[in-house]
This record gives sequence, C-alpha cells and structure tokens, in this order.
Amino acid sequence: DGGITQSPKYLFRKEGQNVTLSCEQNLNHDAMYWYRQDPGQGLRLIYYSQIVNDFQKGDIAEGYSVSREKKESFPLTVTSAQKNPTAFYLCASSIRTVSSSNQPQHFGDGTRLSIL
Amino acid sequence: RKEVEQDPGPFNVPEGATVAFNCTYSNSASQSFFWYRQDCRKEPKLLMSVYSSGNEDGRFTAQLNRASQYISLLIRDSKLSDSATYLCVAKRDFGNEKLTFGTGTRLTIIP
Repeated sequence: DGGITQSPKYLFRKEGQNVTLSCEQNLNHDAMYWYRQDPGQGLRLIYYSQIVNDFQKGDIAEGYSVSREKKESFPLTVTSAQKNPTAFYLCASSIRTVSSSNQPQHFGDGTRLSIL
Repeated sequence: RKEVEQDPGPFNVPEGATVAFNCTYSNSASQSFFWYRQDCRKEPKLLMSVYSSGNEDGRFTAQLNRASQYISLLIRDSKLSDSATYLCVAKRDFGNEKLTFGTGTRLTIIP
C-alpha cells in the first residue's frame, strides 16, 4: 500500500537526550514536512523539504534538526535544546509541481513524544 | 491576528441536522484552500479541496469567498461519524508549499 509511515507511534525521552523520529513515504512525493501539534493549538510547521538534499526552517525550528538524503525519508531529530518537546509530531508529504494549486498534503499517523 | 482563524466550538448538533462553519484567512496571497478532518488523537485527513466556484462531495459542500477572505464548510444530514475536529487550511502557491492551519472547529453529533 502507498502511504506515509511514522515510527515509533509512542516515544519517551529523558531530559537532555536527543531522539529521532522516522518518516518514510512510498508515494514518490518530492515535498515532505514536519509539524508539531499541541493540545488546543493548530499544527505548527517545524521543517520542510521540497527536494532531496535541501530543507528549510518552518515557524518553530529551534531545537530540531532534519536531513533529506533520500526522497522517501525525512527523519526529525528532537535535540536537548528543545525545552518543551512533549507533543504530537506529524509528518506529511505532497506532490511538488510547477503549478501546485490544490495539491494537498497527506499525513502519517503521528508520533507522540513524552518526557520522562 | 492569526493567519487562519476558526471558531473552536464545540458545536453540538443533533443527528440529521445541517451544520455550517466558517474560517477566515488574513493573507490575501493564499491561493489554495482545504478542509481536513481530524479525529481524536489521530492524524488529519483531507476532507476536500475548496475551489473558487464552490464544490460538493456527497453531503459536504465547500465555498470560498475571496473578496471577504473566508471559507465555509456545510455538512448536510449529519451522521454520528461526522463527529471530529475540522481544520481549515490555506496555502500560498507559486513555489511555496507551506500550509497554514487553523486551530480547528470541534463538532459533536448527538444521537
């Protein structure tokens, strides 16, 4: 089946520890995204990548890092510099075309990160 | 002011009723719009794109008013399974793939 796979579904982190969230897609989408969702808030963009080996900061990139070495993979590292990492993390992907109107993003089923 | 604003609700509506909610956006550069549905503790799923001419998908109708910068979603003959949070989303195009999400409107359909 085509889709976006995030792992793990639940992740617990100790204070001061870096953790990496996995996101893989087999939709052949060029663009991939990481969002964070907190209770009562909308999705906030952390990082995005429109092409392999290139990525851009979103609105809340501090304390996070990403890589895009392969088209199908866009892992997110939550570093110890992120002081409030407890949240629901969502990865998404989309087609990127010259005329990209009405090309929606499709989401993985998320990773819940909690601090021990 | 938030770039995309929605009434958070909750809207509690009896089964079979028609329910409508709006969303306003502040950035006139926004070109594409979507409604997503998010169930509790799940990922958002695309409900429908919103076209300038308005579009319908079964019991769901979406409208876009560019002059007033708002988007609407109408649900007819509501079902219990329609209970969810509905997210309004705006996208600037022309090479910018970033989406801006509203905080969502929570809808509960009551038997």
